[in-house]
Amino acid sequence: AQSVTQPDIHITVSEGASLELRCNYSYGATPYLFWYVQSPGQGLQLLLKYFSGDTLVQGIKGFEAEFKRSQSSFNLRKPSVHWSDAAEYFCAVGPYSSASKIIFGSGTRLSIRP
Amino acid sequence: DAGVIQSPRHEVTEMGQEVTLRCKPISGHNSLFWYRQTMMRGLELLIYFNNNVPIDDSGMPEDRFSAKMPNASFSTLKIQPSEPRDSAVYFCASGQGRDLNTEAFFGQGTRLTVV
Repeated sequence: AQSVTQPDIHITVSEGASLELRCNYSYGATPYLFWYVQSPGQGLQLLLKYFSGDTLVQGIKGFEAEFKRSQSSFNLRKPSVHWSDAAEYFCAVGPYSSASKIIFGSGTRLSIRP
Repeated sequence: DAGVIQSPRHEVTEMGQEVTLRCKPISGHNSLFWYRQTMMRGLELLIYFNNNVPIDDSGMPEDRFSAKMPNASFSTLKIQPSEPRDSAVYFCASGQGRDLNTEAFFGQGTRLTVV
């Protein structure tokens, strides 16, 4: 079955510290992988996406993610977080081709400690 | 561009009433998606349109839910009759291209409360 797991429901890090949000997926074919961010009261905004090629993907706002096929993971990282990064982060997986559902993880809420 | 516009932002209605949620996608986008977000079930795709045609409605929970896209600049999601378990935030998103793997631009959502 297709699934996306974000094992951390809530993470708190200090401003300026590094961040890694975990995402594991189960998918029968080559997946498209996404990270979205949702600020309070807002819709989701795409941070980055991976389709193929270089497994280290750069996104907006200084985020990056690394696709590791052997671990079925697509973890999101940022070397130094800012208070404005406090939000909910969603990992998602979709099929390589044809219209079908994108499956979202349950989300990880990030809090920033001053 | 103003982005994806949803209305209303908040809706409180009584059980049994009809509810209509509205969405204006980004101009030039040919794909439109309706999602529902709840604490219990997370973010679920309800239905997706391409060029105003429904492509995949397998996520629509039951017959009480219906969605239309009469033209490229407008879509509605209707719930009739509404039930308390329909309470959620409903997001509309639009994108370019045919399949779901195009980037989706989300609206700010409609928070629906059915009492």
